[in-house]
Amino acid sequence: DTEVTQTPKHLVMGMTNKKSLKCEQHMGHRAMYWYKQKAKKPPELMFVYSYEKLSINESVPSRFSPECPNSSLLNLHLHALQPEDSALYLCASSSRVGQMSNTIYFGEGSWLTVV
Amino acid sequence: QKEVEQNSGPLSVPEGAIASLNCTYSDRGSQSFFWYRQYSGKSPELIMFIYSNGDKEDGRFTAQLNKASQYVSLLIRDSQPSDSATYLCAGNTGNQFYFGTGTSLTVIP
Repeated sequence: DTEVTQTPKHLVMGMTNKKSLKCEQHMGHRAMYWYKQKAKKPPELMFVYSYEKLSINESVPSRFSPECPNSSLLNLHLHALQPEDSALYLCASSSRVGQMSNTIYFGEGSWLTVV
Repeated sequence: QKEVEQNSGPLSVPEGAIASLNCTYSDRGSQSFFWYRQYSGKSPELIMFIYSNGDKEDGRFTAQLNKASQYVSLLIRDSQPSDSATYLCAGNTGNQFYFGTGTSLTVIP
């Protein structure tokens, strides 16, 4: 079982809705990540938090807003999404950014459908 | 530009055979490499990582790294139908992970 837990597992939202995806890890990791994955494509990095500070934003549209309330939690706030944003959203964590042996562990993902 | 190239497959092998998955990378600053397995509809699951030249074995899996040739591979011995999945190669520069497009493997009973 993964030690990175994501909720909800499935989410259907309209284009005018506001919703959030949540992620939690209790491995003492200080780096957390959001990835987006479309069918038959590799995960695409969206955001990286290192020690609760946003360190990488891969030019993600502002309709996606990340938040890291503490070292164990990571949220992704969603507003005014488009149907093409429908995808599997993966949260991941690692001990810390900047280490050669830095290993990313993924949660089970949240399937998002925008209608 | 950090790129990891994989043959997307599909790769089919009979049960009990050795499956060989290959990956090349373009960034010589890459420090370590990871193999993830992803079943359809599931999240990626770490199989193993390697950061020294040579081979690293873990059960039926062997990862190989050749930094001079910028080449990483994963061998799966005694392939089982349960190994049928997409295998993602990932590189790590220390600050960022970047994934290849994945290779689809089917093990035929």
